[in-house]
Amino acid sequence: GAVVSQHPSWVICKSGTSVKIECRSLDFQATTMFWYRQFPKQSLMLMATSNEGSKATYEQGVEKDKFLINHASLTLSTLTVTSAHPEDSSFYICSARVQGGAYEQYFGPGTRLTVT
Amino acid sequence: GDSVTQMEGPVTLSEEAFLTINCTYTATGYPSLFWYVQYPGEGLQLLLKATKADDKGSNKGFEATYRKETTSFHLEKGSVQVSDSAVYFCALSDPRGTGGFKTIFGAGTRLFVKA
Repeated sequence: GAVVSQHPSWVICKSGTSVKIECRSLDFQATTMFWYRQFPKQSLMLMATSNEGSKATYEQGVEKDKFLINHASLTLSTLTVTSAHPEDSSFYICSARVQGGAYEQYFGPGTRLTVT
Repeated sequence: GDSVTQMEGPVTLSEEAFLTINCTYTATGYPSLFWYVQYPGEGLQLLLKATKADDKGSNKGFEATYRKETTSFHLEKGSVQVSDSAVYFCALSDPRGTGGFKTIFGAGTRLFVKA
């Protein structure tokens, strides 16, 4: 149980274009999802917390107009990188929090974004 | 605010060696503690967890005990395998603490196991 999928697993796009990444909880409902960014050989950087049916809460320093997050249902959150630039190239990982329990998170496999 | 500190890597061991990765935390409330593992090119997987003092989390031969008196949650395994090579993250979550529902991660410790 508690499986989270991400799509696509990797994407290459040209500078100036937008890219959408989907995060789905496959066998549970996730009222809260998180989006992280990870640079090579570094820890995860939390970008935003996404709550179903409401606006995402962004961490300090993360541009909300550049990284659009939508959590339209209890099983789907999307991250859209708008007007992508090479410095946006990174590994993006989503996670979903299981209600109740110990507040553990279940992570998607990640999406490798390369902007050329 | 809440924080997690774990030993720097990389850690290089021979197969069947004993593993310890140290983790200490600072929290204002009563956090749940976790170890996550990340294999190359993949997302994180929950390895084990403990929700209160003196709890021992265990999975796949790995163990960690929640020590409130030393604010520690060290990861151990008696005999590592090449397949254990990965990055290990210590983490905490305390909805009543300064992080709210966020999970606070340590910097990660890279483990290499040689055959």
